[in-house]
Amino acid sequence: RKEVEQDPGPFNVPEGATVAFNCTYSNSASQSFFWYRQDCRKEPKLLMSVYSSGNEDGRFTAQLNRASQYISLLIRDSKLSDSATYLCVVNSVNNNNDMRFGAGTRLTVKP
Amino acid sequence: GAVVSQHPSRVICKSGTSVKIECRSLDFQATTMFWYRQFPKQSLMLMATSNEGSKATYEQGVEKDKFLINHASLTLSTLTVTSAHPEDSSFYICSAEDRKAFFGQGTRLTVV
Repeated sequence: RKEVEQDPGPFNVPEGATVAFNCTYSNSASQSFFWYRQDCRKEPKLLMSVYSSGNEDGRFTAQLNRASQYISLLIRDSKLSDSATYLCVVNSVNNNNDMRFGAGTRLTVKP
Repeated sequence: GAVVSQHPSRVICKSGTSVKIECRSLDFQATTMFWYRQFPKQSLMLMATSNEGSKATYEQGVEKDKFLINHASLTLSTLTVTSAHPEDSSFYICSAEDRKAFFGQGTRLTVV
């Protein structure tokens, strides 16, 4: 089983739609969770951290369910500029505390 | 915010030659940096963890003699792809953490 698994996508949605991405992780001892955004042929950039109580940043809402080892990202009122690949990232809780990435979910927002 | 600079951004080399990629943390010190590789339409895969002042830790299946990592200072890690072959063509990205992971701009390596 992969350490971090995401919806395979791709998601093709119209502008203004609400879209949700899901992610599960296998290591129950993981402590830090993030959503990154990666545009084509560019490096990933941090979109938002995911906190236990859930957190919101504008049109983006992240949720964490530790019991189910599940993370979600909700995007409301999708914009064309939201088109990208969204990566679920979990720290691996080893000596180096390195990050483990999901395969990413591709989102295309169409006019 | 924290900045990680990586260069070159793009390199084309002949098969059999070696290529060095640099990763610098510009405004913070990083005792640990990470090197990833990403093939088209695939996720980032961790290759190795670079440790300042000591040997790098390589992931299973990554040849340490082929991918040489040097982390001589708290702000610089280098990845050298030795005797590159076309199958090494990929997008290589480094990252360093300052409470969160920050990535270099990536290096697109093409071996012809």
